Amino acid sequence: GAGVSQSPSNKVTEKGKDVELRCDPISGHTALYWYRQSLGQGLEFLIYFQGNSAPDKSGLPSDRFSAERTGGSVSTLTIQRTQQEDSAVYLCASSPAPIGSPLHFGNGTRLTVT
Amino acid sequence: DQQVKQNSPSLSVQEGRISILNCDYTNSMFDYFLWYKKYPAEGPTFLISISSIKDKNEDGRFTVFLNKSAKHLSLHIVPSQPGDSAVYFCAASVGGSQGNLIFGKGTKLSVKP
Repeated sequence: GAGVSQSPSNKVTEKGKDVELRCDPISGHTALYWYRQSLGQGLEFLIYFQGNSAPDKSGLPSDRFSAERTGGSVSTLTIQRTQQEDSAVYLCASSPAPIGSPLHFGNGTRLTVT
Repeated sequence: DQQVKQNSPSLSVQEGRISILNCDYTNSMFDYFLWYKKYPAEGPTFLISISSIKDKNEDGRFTVFLNKSAKHLSLHIVPSQPGDSAVYFCAASVGGSQGNLIFGKGTKLSVKP
């Protein structure tokens, strides 16, 4: 079956522009997560959705970052007024339940802010 | 302040020998631990997990050991194969929930033929 799909796979943008990253989770997975990995760092938690609601937004680094999920499926992560420090690989993951089920990750979107 | 630490950024092992990847944590509330494996340009894939009620979990060539008193876990791969070459991430959570998995920075394993 299809895994977690993320688009675009690569995005180069100019500082100050807005970007939207998309995640299609595995069908039927109710939990969806966004992480990012900056160069030389581990995976940093950003936000978690259970269905369409986000019980934990604690990882969003600033108010320039927002995310939504519609229909319990597709999620978009939006970064407004991008900064160079936003450059990273943004990873989406889904799981059938929030507890006790390993995450299934997509291949990520590599964002480069010039 | 890192709650999950992988102090070795890289490890090189000969094919057929044992690979031991280490992970330390500081939060005594963590009760669920996982290892993920990541190839370049791909997302991490789940490898093995362990609950804090156990001290060992084995799956084929992979075994995870948990020492709660030392707040330390390790992943043993035996025998190591060239295809095991990847970055290995240790992760931990509270209450078995993955709503906020805390990851280490990873250890790059190279298995030489």
